[in-house]
Amino acid sequence: EPEVTQTPSHQVTQMGQEVILRCVPISNHLYFYWYRQILGQKVEFLVSFYNNEISEKSEIFDDQFSVERPDGSNFTLKIRSTKLEDSAMYFCASTGVGAASYNEQFFGPGTRLTVL
Amino acid sequence: GNSVTQMEGPVTLSEEAFLTINCTYTATGYPSLFWYVQYPGEGLQLLLKATKADDKGSNKGFEATYRKETTSFHLEKGSVQVSDSAVYFCALSATGGGADGLTFGKGTHLIIQP
Repeated sequence: EPEVTQTPSHQVTQMGQEVILRCVPISNHLYFYWYRQILGQKVEFLVSFYNNEISEKSEIFDDQFSVERPDGSNFTLKIRSTKLEDSAMYFCASTGVGAASYNEQFFGPGTRLTVL
Repeated sequence: GNSVTQMEGPVTLSEEAFLTINCTYTATGYPSLFWYVQYPGEGLQLLLKATKADDKGSNKGFEATYRKETTSFHLEKGSVQVSDSAVYFCALSATGGGADGLTFGKGTHLIIQP
């Protein structure tokens, strides 16, 4: 069964450093997403991406964040200068198109980011 | 804005007990509704969905009915197992379109004791 994969599973970084979180969405999907879950809190939407551009973004997704699809398979989230409050689990998701999908998003296992 | 409210946990039940996890939502228009499950150390898995009023989503013995009049999507299971222990998230997609980010509730931690 196809699945979304994410690397690394755990990333530790120093405050102020740049990090790149990587995702490989399901191969025939066309919409891609990033979410984050701060420990003990709800899952929060960051950004959606379609046709090589951002479709929607939340208030959390400020200038410190960027997304990219550098090739035909990877989808990345970059945080330019990490803050302590960026420590969270980051989930990638993808979905197909057409009425049948109804935005049924498939999630990866997550990357736990720890900022020291 | 859109929001999802679900009962706080943890919810602790004995095996074979009946389960209800309440979920209510606020959204404009006609959202699609979902239940996701997160097992320890894993990502979110779609459990079931409903895309219009009165639809019933079902999977693995779990059911939820989209009630527009009460803006609810309560999750039920007739007889829970220890393996159902996980965190359950209610979520909505406001437009049902692909660009739309999901809005999640805070999650309910379910613990099933043998």
